[in-house]
Amino acid sequence: SAVISQKPSRDICQRGTSLTIQCQVDSQVTMMFWYRQQPGQSLTLIATANQGSEATYESGFVIDKFPISRPNLTFSTLTVSNMSPEDSSIYLCSAHRSGGGGAYGYTFGSGTRLTVV
Amino acid sequence: QKEVEQNSGPLSVPEGAIASLNCTYSDRVSQSFFWYRQYSGKSPELIMSIYSNGDKEDGRFTAQLNKASQYVSLLIRDSQPSDSATYLCAVIVAGGTSYGKLTFGQGTILTVHP
Repeated sequence: SAVISQKPSRDICQRGTSLTIQCQVDSQVTMMFWYRQQPGQSLTLIATANQGSEATYESGFVIDKFPISRPNLTFSTLTVSNMSPEDSSIYLCSAHRSGGGGAYGYTFGSGTRLTVV
Repeated sequence: QKEVEQNSGPLSVPEGAIASLNCTYSDRVSQSFFWYRQYSGKSPELIMSIYSNGDKEDGRFTAQLNKASQYVSLLIRDSQPSDSATYLCAVIVAGGTSYGKLTFGQGTILTVHP
């Protein structure tokens, strides 16, 4: 499976500001995803980061709030814009590289714990 | 109905016992199934994947899949206190707009007590 470096690991931000989270994979991957995990909850997919094109957002998430970039096959960023306390969550990057024989590898970064005050 | 549902927890078992975690899914075209373990404050870690009906064993872990019943389970034998974590069931739908995306259940908190 791919190894993912995600940063920052945590941040405390003022409401109304924006934070960009970076996700670096140690090898080229087919797909990259961004998830949100609110306190005590499971993971919710925000969007699929597409290389060379606009991200595909899930219901309830919009590009203006969560702009995503994926300039190449190993790197992606998620920005949380105009933050409010409701955005306080853990944000996780995930990468998928399909292997030989149909093997899957979905790996997660270490996460970014965001607190908005 | 939620797409992926796990048995309600928390689940508490004594050390050395078998822990049984269950998951049902609603989409019949789902093809890939995963169990993740998440320790508090950490990111999810893949522990098992299963794609075909039947059992798949890896050490103390056994995943069981029954596509006809839309059911996947995880058995942990000889449970250890270090197995105490939240276990997440995740499913991938084969095609359409959901291709390649993991959908997670709500998680089951497992506590193994000495």
